[in-house]
Amino acid sequence: TQLLEQSPQFLSIQEGENLTVYCNSSSVFSSLQWYRQEPGEGPVLLVTVVTGGEVKKLKRLTFQFGDARKDSSLHITAAQPGDTGLYLCAGERYGGSQGNLIFGKGTKLSVKP
Amino acid sequence: DTEVTQTPKHLVMGMTNKKSLKCEQHMGHRAMYWYKQKAKKPPELMFVYSYEKLSINESVPSRFSPECPNSSLLNLHLHALQPEDSALYLCASSQPGQGISQPQHFGDGTRLSIL
Repeated sequence: TQLLEQSPQFLSIQEGENLTVYCNSSSVFSSLQWYRQEPGEGPVLLVTVVTGGEVKKLKRLTFQFGDARKDSSLHITAAQPGDTGLYLCAGERYGGSQGNLIFGKGTKLSVKP
Repeated sequence: DTEVTQTPKHLVMGMTNKKSLKCEQHMGHRAMYWYKQKAKKPPELMFVYSYEKLSINESVPSRFSPECPNSSLLNLHLHALQPEDSALYLCASSQPGQGISQPQHFGDGTRLSIL
């Protein structure tokens, strides 16, 4: 059973389109982190969300943490080819071992010019 | 450029070889991690060190042996690996949680191939 379900698994869109990636769980998380990983590189942290209902913006990226801290979403406005990559959500389960990050399976995004 | 440096970037070894992967960070982080990532899969946690002491071992086979000689360095010693151990091995570091999870900073990994 996957603790963090990410959807969609694959997404191929045209430049300028908007998209949303979802990260869902039945468990409560003390925080959720979003990473982007490009081929041959390690994941790069985009944002950490901590408070239920929190919304954070990073240029064209908007991240939201659900009120119950069980889910999160990443919305990209006017996607660019440079947004192409594997987007991973990861969380530390509330009451779990510190540092034990659980990763979703990732969303592979391709933005075509 | 990543602030977590991993060497080597690529490693090919036979099943009887002994080799080590190295990881270094100078961000003052006191928690360091090893992950294994297979192609098209998310990273899977292997080990966590907190204040240079092993705090999590996710039931990793003994052919993988971690070592944290000081707060900046993390090694992963490899011996008698199997072909299925071929993967990208990622190192990460963070501040210890202290009640809230801290973001982890990843290196670019070592691509390991077992012949």
